[in-house]
Amino acid sequence: QVQLVESGGDLVKPGGSLRLSCAASGFTFSDYYMSWIRQAPGKGLEWVSSISYSGNTIYYADSVKGRFIISRDNAKNSLLLQMNSLRADDTALYYCASLKSFRDAFDISGQGTMVTVSS
Amino acid sequence: DIQMTQSPSSLSASVGDRVTITCRASQSISTYLNWYQQKPGKAPKLLIYAASNLQSGVPSRFSGSGSGTDFTLTISSLQPEDFATYYCQQSYDTPQFGQGTKVEI
Repeated sequence: QVQLVESGGDLVKPGGSLRLSCAASGFTFSDYYMSWIRQAPGKGLEWVSSISYSGNTIYYADSVKGRFIISRDNAKNSLLLQMNSLRADDTALYYCASLKSFRDAFDISGQGTMVTVSS
Repeated sequence: DIQMTQSPSSLSASVGDRVTITCRASQSISTYLNWYQQKPGKAPKLLIYAASNLQSGVPSRFSGSGSGTDFTLTISSLQPEDFATYYCQQSYDTPQFGQGTKVEI
């Protein structure tokens, strides 16, 4: 059974940094693309970033390009999101998701971790 | 970027109603279209993948159709547990979600 557990969310000031983690279990982590998806309070879903099986192909939404860095550690079955130069509009619940390939649908099994950017 | 437009943004319906939600892509995405259901305080749940394939465990009253730029999610007989927000998402290119459709009583 796929299980994804996000952590690392916190209250941070504008311009600050934060590192999110996602611990995966119940499936062969290295056989899956992984992604981050976020949802601002009361708003819709927004894709943030995706990373390929070995980490050599990475995609970012324009809204986070140059500020966020996605990475993975297949030995530890973990997905990371380093978030720099945070802005108020980055305030959201961040979900990690697995997918069999880049063009597959998302499996969002976790409950998310909340990031609040405010002074 | 491919833009996804859902309609309506909200609808009111009754138990037993047939409900249809549409999603339009700004360019052809073949059948790379997925549908999700989200209830308040919960993570989104995959209902339909590749336009018309029912995800395992999802009730058969849910169905999806379409290809190219126009897609439809249909709930054949609305049940109390179906009141939620529904999102389409294209996976042809860098992922993009529609803005959501809230189904209310």
